[in-house]
Amino acid sequence: EAGVAQSPRYKIIEKRQSVAFWCNPISGHATLYWYQQILGQGPKLLIQFQNNGVVDDSQLPKDRFSAERLKGVDSTLKIQPAKLEDSAVYLCASSLARGTTEAFFGQGTRLTVV
Amino acid sequence: AQSVSQHNHHVILSEAASLELGCNYSYGGTVNLFWYVQYPGQHLQLLLKYFSGDPLVKGIKGFEAEFIKSKFSFNLRKPSVQWSDTAEYFCAVGSSNTGKLIFGQGTTLQVKP
Repeated sequence: EAGVAQSPRYKIIEKRQSVAFWCNPISGHATLYWYQQILGQGPKLLIQFQNNGVVDDSQLPKDRFSAERLKGVDSTLKIQPAKLEDSAVYLCASSLARGTTEAFFGQGTRLTVV
Repeated sequence: AQSVSQHNHHVILSEAASLELGCNYSYGGTVNLFWYVQYPGQHLQLLLKYFSGDPLVKGIKGFEAEFIKSKFSFNLRKPSVQWSDTAEYFCAVGSSNTGKLIFGQGTTLQVKP
């Protein structure tokens, strides 16, 4: 079974630039999550999709972050404009269904904002 | 407020030593409990999980954890660690409704050969 695919693996940008991350979940997984992991901390949920609808985006800084999951499969997360404090690993995860199933994580995208 | 607290930030053990990593949580409602592991250069992967039933759960690679509801704890144990257990370990609480995970800050385990 193929895992959660993310790209790029690494990205370095200057502050105020924009950046986009892509995620392809495990086939058939209805639920998709984006987490932000700052160095030395545990992952923090940014946004959760159920198919192509948003379940929870309460922790997403909506003035600069946006995410979409067109057709309920792939997803993109965008930051515009980036700030220094956005430097982190951005993790995508997927699960078969909400609630009582395990989430599978991708390798993540390490973003450095300089 | 919902939160997860891991007792140790960095643990150093010699091979064959016993391991116990503490995890306490604060969460209203029904929860699912998880331990995830991240080996160097790899993605987060599930070590074990508790949804219901027997509070002593066994995971991969000889790890186990015990859910103690009265103490809001879910401590991870392994009787004899190996060098290959060197990794970062995360405790997480999951909503049984949405699946949203709240993670602790992680514990880095270094096992000396």
